[in-house]
Amino acid sequence: AQTVTQSQPEMSVQEAETVTLSCTYDTSENNYYLFWYKQPPSRQMILVIRQEAYKQQNATENRFSVNFQKAAKSFSLKISDSQLGDTAMYFCAFMKRMEYGNKLVFGAGTILRVKS
Amino acid sequence: GAVVSQHPSWVICKSGTSVKIECRSLDFQATTMFWYRQFPKQSLMLMATSNEGSKATYEQGVEKDKFLINHASLTLSTLTVTSAHPEDSSFYICSARDQRRGAYNEQFFGPGTRLTVL
Repeated sequence: AQTVTQSQPEMSVQEAETVTLSCTYDTSENNYYLFWYKQPPSRQMILVIRQEAYKQQNATENRFSVNFQKAAKSFSLKISDSQLGDTAMYFCAFMKRMEYGNKLVFGAGTILRVKS
Repeated sequence: GAVVSQHPSWVICKSGTSVKIECRSLDFQATTMFWYRQFPKQSLMLMATSNEGSKATYEQGVEKDKFLINHASLTLSTLTVTSAHPEDSSFYICSARDQRRGAYNEQFFGPGTRLTVL
């Protein structure tokens, strides 16, 4: 069974600095997708970035980038130039292929606080 | 595009009553929708996968008779919590898969429903 591990329950970063959130996963599949979702205090889940396992190039979305190490099954998220609006709970997720609709397996989450 | 709504956003009910939560995909058709439950400061736990026109697939440990799911159209899925009890109080989130996006299968999330059972 696929599992997703986020080992940092909480993190803090000063505004404008860079922070990295870690995520490891376990799977026997070769083709899959990985995601980072953000859940701010409003609790609306927002997709931050996605990575397709067959792509070697790390995904980047503006200030957000990932370090995808397939062999190590590691998928960390780097947030550059942190902003107060980045304060949220961040979930790493693995997309598991199913017959009836691929389902997401989430990690436990990391609470990120950006301080001014 | 790809907006998912939920109604109601919050509901308070008495113990023993049933509560229905709606999940709608507003600008796309969703053959598959998912229902999650989330406790404070915890992760999302998948409860069931809802497929249009067929029975829902429940995750292990989720009571089918307790959490009734109906996916009657390509834009609407409902979750009914039957005979609700205080331990059912939680935040319920739905997501929908946009079938137009092919193999990528990204899920779009609704804003969630906070259920409080007194």
